[in-house]
This record gives sequence, structure tokens and C-alpha cells, in this order.
Amino acid sequence: DQQVKQNSPSLSVQEGRISILNCDYTNSMFDYFLWYKKYPAEGPTFLISISSIKDKNEDGRFTVFLNKSAKHLSLHIVPSQPGDSAVYFCAANLGNRDDKIIFGKGTRLHILP
Amino acid sequence: EAGVTQFPSHSVIEKGQTVTLRCDPISGHDNLYWYRRVMGKEIKFLLHFVKESKQDESGMPNNRFLAERTGGTYSTLKVQPAELEDSGVYFCASSHSRSEQFFGPGTRLTVL
Repeated sequence: DQQVKQNSPSLSVQEGRISILNCDYTNSMFDYFLWYKKYPAEGPTFLISISSIKDKNEDGRFTVFLNKSAKHLSLHIVPSQPGDSAVYFCAANLGNRDDKIIFGKGTRLHILP
Repeated sequence: EAGVTQFPSHSVIEKGQTVTLRCDPISGHDNLYWYRRVMGKEIKFLLHFVKESKQDESGMPNNRFLAERTGGTYSTLKVQPAELEDSGVYFCASSHSRSEQFFGPGTRLTVL
């Protein structure tokens, strides 16, 4: 019973264009949503997060949007660069109540030259 | 500052054998977490230590898995006896005061 869902296993985007990775969740009690990036043979690396009380958070080329009514969030990367090719995990936790991270299955992003 | 380290990077064992995975957290991090990613599935939480105490072990699959963190420094995760479905990548993460979790590179376990 997955609480965090990433329905696209992979995505290919031209270098310089916008990459949009989508994520849906089922638990309305989540306090924080996070995006992790993972390269082969490495562990996940924190990328950006958003609190459940906000609808947008921006950090350089990365922006996360949260739509609580739809239980949906998305990660926008613009412009996409070759080094962005990786697996991106959408994740969530319950904040101070419980800080274990609940992950989605991941989306593999390919940036095409 | 050194990151989270895990040993071994790969382990191949036969069904019924025992394997022990080790995690060294970032120095000074009281919180240590174990996660597992089975092929094709999401990364799933196994347990959480605060110093040497188990804070939450709700994700441990069964009693064949035993985690320890003696002295509140490094942690070990023992699987005994290993079964085929235990194959996957085991990640360790650590954090200071329940802040951002830093992940290690993982141990890939293959049970034949």
C-alpha cells in the first residue's frame, strides 16, 4: 500500500528544457515533502523540500510545487543540464511526530544532448 | 567531514547463511536509520536508533533481522538466516537532531 506514488518510471528531456517530475500521495497527515536525487552506486542525496503549509519552494534551478487539495507535488528543473540525469525520489514524512522517510519508487531522468 | 560509510559495498551469500552489514554514521549524529530497497520497489524504512536505543523498529520485516548500535556509534544489521527475498540494497542514514538525513552509498545484498 504505497503512500507516495511516482507513476512515471522514466522521463527524457532535452538539455536546456524544463524537466517536470510528478508525485502523488495518499496520507493527508504528511508534514514535509522531499525530493532526493540518486546516482548509480551512491545513496540518495537530499535536493529540496517543502512544508505542507506552503505551495512553492525554489532553490536555484529547482522548484517544488505542492497542491494539497489534489495531494500532488511536482519538481521542476530549469534549465535541465546533463548532470541532472539521475533517479529522483519523491518522499514525505510526518515531521516532528515521526521522521522516518516514506519514499516513492523513483523516476529516472535522462537529459538528452 | 566524512559522510556515512557502509561496509561491505556488495555481499553475495547463499540462502540460509548469515550476513552482517555495518554502518558508520557521520560523527556526532545521534540519529541512525536503516532503509532497504528491494528490486523494483521503493526505499523502505527499517528502523531508527537514537544513540544506542531503538526509537522505532516498525519497519523490520521479521525476527531474522537484528540491528544493534552498541555505544551509540556504528551500527550493524544482521540477517540470519538469509532468504531469497532479503536481496536488495540496504541504506543507512544519519542525522543530527532529527534534521536532514544523510545517506550512505548502500550495501547491495544478493541471496542465492
